[in-house]
Amino acid sequence: DVKVTQSSRYLVKRTGEKVFLECVQDMDHENMFWYRQDPGLGLRLIYFSYDVKMKEKGDIPEGYSVSREKKERFSLILESASTNQTSMYLCASSPGTGRPEAFFGQGTRLTVV
Amino acid sequence: QKEVEQDPGPLSVPEGAIVSLNCTYSNSAFQYFMWYRQYSRKGPELLMYTYSSGNKEDGRFTAQVDKSSKYISLFIRDSQPSDSATYLCAMSEIQGAQKLVFGQGTRLTINP
Repeated sequence: DVKVTQSSRYLVKRTGEKVFLECVQDMDHENMFWYRQDPGLGLRLIYFSYDVKMKEKGDIPEGYSVSREKKERFSLILESASTNQTSMYLCASSPGTGRPEAFFGQGTRLTVV
Repeated sequence: QKEVEQDPGPLSVPEGAIVSLNCTYSNSAFQYFMWYRQYSRKGPELLMYTYSSGNKEDGRFTAQVDKSSKYISLFIRDSQPSDSATYLCAMSEIQGAQKLVFGQGTRLTINP
């Protein structure tokens, strides 16, 4: 089974802090994604990566950056956390090359106070 | 207009009923179609995955794709209380990075 592991289930941070969310997948997938999920808005793509050190902006990249130094690991960085970034963050990976089905981690519930 | 439209519900049915969940889409380039199930406070899990048009069956679940109408469905037979969850449809093009575009999700409750 594919396993996507996010470093924290719940996180509470203060406004202005730099926040790191870590994600690791164990199936040698090419693509990795970060989404946020909010009530009434569904899943929105923040950033994705289709190769090591390659990244592309999704639909809502403002206030976020990402890092992918190794194939299995994809980090989401909140440069200066704000209260409107309180959300559920979901990491996913997919095989790539004609295999778009994505597998998700368990999610990180981030609260910014 | 959103690329993928899905009625958010909520939908409540008695145990044993047949459930029909649907999504419509506007992008004719979508070729891959998926259904995910998400339990409360968990990440989505992949239920069904189909390519292009047609039907696919897996146990009590059947996925249908009608590309001419830009309409996809998920049917759940003999529904169980454990099927209570939010169901999300997702779609992708063949070209490019194959990002998934999600529907908003339908919240389903199966009543014993």
